Amino acid sequence: NAGVTQTPKFQVLKTGQSMTLQCAQDMNHEYMSWYRQDPGMGLRLIHYSVGAGITDQGEVPNGYNVSRSTTEDFPLRLLSAAPSQTSVYFCASSLNPQVGYTFGSGTRLTVV
Amino acid sequence: TQLLEQSPQFLSIQEGENLTVYCNSSSVFSSLQWYRQEPGEGPVLLVTVVTGGEVKKLKRLTFQFGDARKDSSLHITAAQPGDTGLYLCGIEYGNKLVFGAGTILRVKS
Repeated sequence: NAGVTQTPKFQVLKTGQSMTLQCAQDMNHEYMSWYRQDPGMGLRLIHYSVGAGITDQGEVPNGYNVSRSTTEDFPLRLLSAAPSQTSVYFCASSLNPQVGYTFGSGTRLTVV
Repeated sequence: TQLLEQSPQFLSIQEGENLTVYCNSSSVFSSLQWYRQEPGEGPVLLVTVVTGGEVKKLKRLTFQFGDARKDSSLHITAAQPGDTGLYLCGIEYGNKLVFGAGTILRVKS
């Protein structure tokens, strides 16, 4: 049971490049979310999904796209990377959001 | 305006001391979650409190949910260096998890 798997762990991008951060879970959780964590800003919600085919915006969605074609996968796409998107990104999944989430170990992204 | 206010923002104490971290809101919640995040890792769920006045214990950690379900506290007895980390409270809000800003705890040996 791998839990929530995020790849890559580290990535450096040039301004304007695009990329996809991968997130996969093997717990059959319907709820999945993406967060970014910046020093002094806590964890801010980017996008979330309540099941396959359903996504919605969180607190800071601009510059990011998501899709949820399967229950297991919830990729996060950066369309045109900007230095302001330098951050640590966490994916999380849950069977019941009122009970708790399981987090991945994060992707550290630097945009130069 | 933050939905959840955590205090203190930062706490640096000696090994063996006790401490309390607070999570407050003006809203009523059906449940509240506490997480700990160690450097370089994702947050890990410690406990979920559901009932007003509920107290849960996890070894040296004691979690309490306020009677009115608007606030919660985390008390650590005889803190150890392994308790060092970021402590986050979170609530389910519209099918998503919303966090407070967190309390950074540093326990010195």
